[in-house]
Amino acid sequence: NAGVMQNPRHLVRRRGQEARLRCSPMKGHSHVYWYRQLPEEGLKFMVYLQKENIIDESGMPKERFSAEFPKEGPSILRIQQVVRGDSAAYFCASSPRDPHFTTLHFGNGTRLTVT
Amino acid sequence: AQSVTQPDIHITVSEGASLELRCNYSYGATPYLFWYVQSPGQGLQLLLKYFSGDTLVQGIKGFEAEFKRSQSSFNLRKPSVHWSDAAEYFCAVGGAIQGAQKLVFGQGTRLTINP
Repeated sequence: NAGVMQNPRHLVRRRGQEARLRCSPMKGHSHVYWYRQLPEEGLKFMVYLQKENIIDESGMPKERFSAEFPKEGPSILRIQQVVRGDSAAYFCASSPRDPHFTTLHFGNGTRLTVT
Repeated sequence: AQSVTQPDIHITVSEGASLELRCNYSYGATPYLFWYVQSPGQGLQLLLKYFSGDTLVQGIKGFEAEFKRSQSSFNLRKPSVHWSDAAEYFCAVGGAIQGAQKLVFGQGTRLTINP
């Protein structure tokens, strides 16, 4: 029973390039969340999605960042024109349903380095 | 505003010694409280959670935590640590309004174990 799968594990981009981070939720899970962990900090909520819907994107930077969770395929977090401050670990989590009374299952993260 | 404070950034204990990691939270409603552990280069694993009921919560790997509403605390304890417990520990709070998906994390406590 595979857990939350994220790829790539490590991603290096030069300033100005685009970064695409992928997340496949656990089997049977229809809710996906993205969190960002800056160096020496805890995780911070970015966005919550269901299939084909963005439910809550209050933690997403207003520019350059976007997320999607299509009907088929993984969830994608896209960062356009990356800057050094985007260097961080990006974690995806999933849950089977409305998570008010459930817990999140986290992937191993994608570590983005912007040079 | 919700917040989580983990006062100790780094703790070192000897193998076999007892452990207590502190967590204080600020939340305007009934909190849902979590402790996660993160090994180097890995994702987050849930140790335990508190939603309601008994304020002393048992988790995996021999960990427990006690919810003290009067002190706004949710400290993590283990009576005897093992070398494999060396990791980063995160306390997180969610709530009945936003649910468990929009967790607010503390900045983490790094645990080092001396042989």
